[in-house]
Amino acid sequence: NAGVTQTPKFQVLKTGQSMTLQCAQDMNHNSMYWYRQDPGMGLRLIYYSASEGTTDKGEVPNGYNVSRLNKREFSLRLESAAPSQTSVYFCASISKELTYEQYFGPGTRLTVT
Amino acid sequence: GENVEQHPSTLSVQEGDSAVIKCTYSDSASNYFPWYKQELGKGPQLIIDIRSNVGEKKDQRIAVTLNKTAKHFSLHITETQPEDSAVYFCAVLTGTASKLTFGTGTRLQVTL
Repeated sequence: NAGVTQTPKFQVLKTGQSMTLQCAQDMNHNSMYWYRQDPGMGLRLIYYSASEGTTDKGEVPNGYNVSRLNKREFSLRLESAAPSQTSVYFCASISKELTYEQYFGPGTRLTVT
Repeated sequence: GENVEQHPSTLSVQEGDSAVIKCTYSDSASNYFPWYKQELGKGPQLIIDIRSNVGEKKDQRIAVTLNKTAKHFSLHITETQPEDSAVYFCAVLTGTASKLTFGTGTRLQVTL
């Protein structure tokens, strides 16, 4: 199993550009999450999806949209990137049936200039 | 919402010494408390967790203690080794959607 995969690994955008961060998991997990990680601020939840077809806002949703395309895939879209969105983005998934352990992807490092 | 505070933000210990990281939380209904380790350039990985019906849990050189009355929990690493150098995050499970609220992280450096 590949676990949680994310693409791309690195991305540089100019202010106002748009992009979609892709995430996929092959563990048949129901819930998926998007976090951003900034120095000194830990991981903050942007959006989550408790099951296929549902999405909900987390702590810092402004400027982002998400799509739970199917059980495997959960994408994060920046419609008009801003320098404040420079961060490392992590996708995670969880299997509540077994444990509350969240499995994280390797991250996407995004720079907005 | 849940508020999780983590201390210290950086910790330097000599190889073989013990390291302790502490977290406090605000929601008395919280019942699951994991610790994650993040190595450079990687995503966080669960290293140990504890549920509210247990006061202490140990796995080889790492242990977690929980004081529900005082609403704090701690990570203890004994006989530290260079490979323990990483950033450690505590977290608290909140709500019904298995959402985790993370602490701000502790950068642990184990020196030779």
